[in-house]
Amino acid sequence: DADVTQTPRNRITKTGKRIMLECSQTKGHDRMYWYRQDPGLGLRLIYYSFDVKDINKGEISDGYSVSRQAQAKFSLSLESAIPNQTALYFCATSDSGTGLTFGEGSWLTVV
Amino acid sequence: RKEVEQDPGPFNVPEGATVAFNCTYSNSASQSFFWYRQDCRKEPKLLMSVYSSGNEDGRFTAQLNRASQYISLLIRDSKLSDSATYLCVVNGQTGGGADGLTFGKGTHLIIQP
Repeated sequence: DADVTQTPRNRITKTGKRIMLECSQTKGHDRMYWYRQDPGLGLRLIYYSFDVKDINKGEISDGYSVSRQAQAKFSLSLESAIPNQTALYFCATSDSGTGLTFGEGSWLTVV
Repeated sequence: RKEVEQDPGPFNVPEGATVAFNCTYSNSASQSFFWYRQDCRKEPKLLMSVYSSGNEDGRFTAQLNRASQYISLLIRDSKLSDSATYLCVVNGQTGGGADGLTFGKGTHLIIQP
């Protein structure tokens, strides 16, 4: 099993719908992150959390919300999806001073 | 100047050749540096950290030049399986928190038989 698991892996949704992407990890890391990747723009940080009671906005948090339900779980929500949120979304974890371990990604298409 | 800048390529290199590419960063206070590898439609995976003294892992060598604010990745005896996008990642914050990580847009490498 993967250290960082994302669900769903692929989703097509309609504009205005609510969509949740879930992430769980078995690394035992305190730090969890959500990134999106768009062609030509690289990876951009949406939200991050250093522990269950800690939530921080990243570079592009508008239109997104997150919930850290447990140390191992960090979900990303789009309350009202719009087409420019079509992207590849990655969850990642890290321990202090280490590099990031990414999930396999969630392809989201908003039509 | 962009925070982390990479030549997007693609670099087309024959199998067995040596290839090198650089990444420049703008924040002189940056503390830690990494190279990630990303295959098409897959997640990035940590290739190697970059230390001040430079480091080597098999065919891969990473160097840091703080004076000129760039890091480099050298791949010797390139293999077809080395074809991927290589992401430069710079942490501008002390403590290593990934909130300070800035990703380059990647350099696309194609190894040709």
